[in-house]
Amino acid sequence: VQLVESGGGLVQPGGSLRLSCAASGFTFSFSAMSWVRQAPGKGLEWVSVISGDGGTTYYADSVKGRFTISRDNSKNTLYVQMNSLTVADTAVYYCAQNPDQGISARRFRFDSWGHGTLVSVSS
Amino acid sequence: QSVLTQPPSVSGAPGQRVTISCTGSSSNIGADYDVNWYQQLPGAAPKLLIFANNGRPSGAPDRFSGSKFGTSASLTITGLQPEDEADYYCQSGWVFGGGTKLTVL
Repeated sequence: VQLVESGGGLVQPGGSLRLSCAASGFTFSFSAMSWVRQAPGKGLEWVSVISGDGGTTYYADSVKGRFTISRDNSKNTLYVQMNSLTVADTAVYYCAQNPDQGISARRFRFDSWGHGTLVSVSS
Repeated sequence: QSVLTQPPSVSGAPGQRVTISCTGSSSNIGADYDVNWYQQLPGAAPKLLIFANNGRPSGAPDRFSGSKFGTSASLTITGLQPEDEADYYCQSGWVFGGGTKLTVL
């Protein structure tokens, strides 16, 4: 399994950014996929998840209404569109593979992780 | 403040046994949610260490073990190694614990 994130960078408060995650080494459409972030010097925070077929999505309260997760199974790529960014969104964003095609909160876990991409929100 | 509570730090000498606790509630761990543990080495991405309370993924050393009881879970490292110095996170449902920094003395 290989997950490679891209698209991070410096953006002003109120701005937008789209992150991508290129996946390989497994059947992409068979796995739900997540974004998890880590603010500098802080712990891990789950951000969003999308089912294998793209039909079901969930978001953390902290990003609901501002972030949109999506996937293109023909390109084996996961995305997150981030709008109305604030300083609190500054973090390394990791793409992570979930074990099943569907999403079950009780059995939720992150089997494989990318190396992360840094998003810095600052004026 | 995290929904899952972990001690900020633990330490031990090489060869010793250390345990990291993860305390949740009846809304997560106590509601039959799996507990998973991740190891994050300095400067690296997290890595799944224990899944579904006590499962070990391929490649995870057998000195790592997990357990769950009621609304809490524990990660135990038996025979501590210098390379085990890292941050450890528990996770259940949508939430992570705050993380525990393990120092090998």
